[in-house]
Amino acid sequence: GQQVMQIPQYQHVQEGEDFTTYCNSSTTLSNIQWYKQRPGGHPVFLIQLVKSGEVKKQKRLTFQFGEAKKNSSLHITATQTTDVGTYFCAGYGSGNTGKLIFGQGTTLQVKP
Amino acid sequence: EAQVTQNPRYLITVTGKKLTVTCSQNMNHEYMSWYRQDPGLGLRQIYYSMNVEVTDKGDVPEGYKVSRKEKRNFPLILESPSPNQTSLYFCASTASPDRGLAFFGQGTRLTVV
Repeated sequence: GQQVMQIPQYQHVQEGEDFTTYCNSSTTLSNIQWYKQRPGGHPVFLIQLVKSGEVKKQKRLTFQFGEAKKNSSLHITATQTTDVGTYFCAGYGSGNTGKLIFGQGTTLQVKP
Repeated sequence: EAQVTQNPRYLITVTGKKLTVTCSQNMNHEYMSWYRQDPGLGLRQIYYSMNVEVTDKGDVPEGYKVSRKEKRNFPLILESPSPNQTSLYFCASTASPDRGLAFFGQGTRLTVV
């Protein structure tokens, strides 16, 4: 079945350093979604990318969707302690808009 | 306030004792879904529902049942819980799945002993 892999699983950075997490799907995705989960909280929807090669920015966060629509990345510039949490990508396979597959998540720790 | 409400937040139960985790949303969303979260595995979809009386299996439906008799409610039923169903469960809803899961419940931490 469809799999969505995310790397790295953990990342520790010094405050001010950049951070990137990568997401790869075994099949073409109709779209890719990104979520953030703070410790002890529930996932919070950040953004959705739909088009091949799409790039979107939210302040210090940059999201990219690959040309083949099988991979994606989230890059955070100049991390802050408020960025701490687990970042998940998730995608629907082509032709199925109900079955959402999440990656395993990347847990980001930021040292002040 | 727009929200998804899950109950209970915490539950410890014994193997084989049927239980139901409730999920209710007040936004008239058509799409609802259930996930379990386990360390290192991310969120795995159990069941989803595109509308009333329409439910489909996600990636890990074994041992679970759901129903969608009315739009606002989407209960998760464990007929005979086992220890491997110990997990953190989330319910989510959205007006349309291609808009992202904008609303998650607070989660239910279930322990089966």
